[in-house]
Amino acid sequence: NAGVTQTPKFQVLKTGQSMTLQCAQDMNHEYMSWYRQDPGMGLRLIHYSVGAGITDQGEVPNGYNVSRSTTEDFPLRLLSAAPSQTSVYFCASSYPGLDYNEQFFGPGTRLTVL
Amino acid sequence: GQSLEQPSEVTAVEGAIVQINCTYQTSGFYGLSWYQQHDGGAPTFLSYNALDGLEETGRFSSFLSRSDSYGYLLLQELQMKDSASYFCAGGEAAGNKLTFGGGTRVLVKP
Repeated sequence: NAGVTQTPKFQVLKTGQSMTLQCAQDMNHEYMSWYRQDPGMGLRLIHYSVGAGITDQGEVPNGYNVSRSTTEDFPLRLLSAAPSQTSVYFCASSYPGLDYNEQFFGPGTRLTVL
Repeated sequence: GQSLEQPSEVTAVEGAIVQINCTYQTSGFYGLSWYQQHDGGAPTFLSYNALDGLEETGRFSSFLSRSDSYGYLLLQELQMKDSASYFCAGGEAAGNKLTFGGGTRVLVKP
């Protein structure tokens, strides 16, 4: 299994450009999430999904859109990039469960907005 | 919402024991998780406490007290490879919607 994959690994955008960060998992996990991590800080939840066709906002959703048409894929769209969106973006997936709560993270996308 | 507080940095020598505390405030709580992240890498899961008490996984143990809104991660027999950032995370729903603390950077010295 490849686990959670993300593309691209690195991206440089100009202010106002749009782009899509790709995330895919091959573990048949129902739950998927997007986080951003600024230097020296913890991860903040952007959007999450509990299954195909179901998404919801996290802590910092402004400027981002998501969709979940399949179990495997959960792309994150930046609508009009701003320098404040310079960050490392991590996608994660997990099984639902009360006794076990491991989230599997992808390798991250390092985004710079000029 | 949730907020989780943890110390920013801890330094220790090889073979020592380190305890990283995490206190939380939350309107809904499903358990406390711990993640390790090496510089430039992705977070990896270490442990999860759904109930009060101690969970042991090899050299790492994690503890939760819901009545005190407090947990900790215990790193024993420290090794150089344990130098990393450690994050506590609180879940508002099983398996999803985690809120992370700011992270504790652990530096292990020879």
